Amino acid sequence: GQNIDQPTEMTATEGAIVQINCTYQTSGFNGLFWYQQHAGEAPTFLSYNVLDGLEEKGRFSSFLSRSKGYSYLLLKELQMKDSASYLCAVRDSNYQLIWGAGTKLIIKP
Amino acid sequence: GAVVSQHPSWVICKSGTSVKIECRSLDFQATTMFWYRQFPKQSLMLMATSNEGSKATYEQGVEKDKFLINHASLTLSTLTVTSAHPEDSSFYICSARDGTGDHYEQYFGPGTRLTVT
Repeated sequence: GQNIDQPTEMTATEGAIVQINCTYQTSGFNGLFWYQQHAGEAPTFLSYNVLDGLEEKGRFSSFLSRSKGYSYLLLKELQMKDSASYLCAVRDSNYQLIWGAGTKLIIKP
Repeated sequence: GAVVSQHPSWVICKSGTSVKIECRSLDFQATTMFWYRQFPKQSLMLMATSNEGSKATYEQGVEKDKFLINHASLTLSTLTVTSAHPEDSSFYICSARDGTGDHYEQYFGPGTRLTVT
């Protein structure tokens, strides 16, 4: 079966750095996405990785290791507005997105 | 970036009535549209995938006669919840895929919150 695992909840302090991990087992691989979702809102696109390595975009970076079936999202200089759920999704061989359950990130002052 | 709109953003209806939700891709042609449902504190659940001009493919456990999907054009898909019941109350989100992009990104609409009383 297809499976995406990520922690249910994480807590971090404003100004700090947090890493959200995602491991996956899917039927084929055509890219991994990270989305941010604030409560009551639809997901918004954060990053996309299809090759191994680190993609940096401002305060957010995403890493992928295809051989390990592993990715992480790194958030630097945390701000209170970063409190949200972070969803990891993998596109399988049929170009369908397989979703993780999401990681709720709580930022404390 | 690409924009997907949904209408209405929220709706309250009585049990037994039907509700139609529209999803539009505003600045690109969406060859494929997806309908998701999300219950509180849960992740997105894919309900169905629709390709323009063809019948939708429903996920296991989703009643196709209850959740009618029409994708008549490259910019519009509709989801009709027929004979709605309180357990259908949820956050419904559509997303559209731009098949011309390098990585076939899915763009999400803002969602529709349905409350059935």
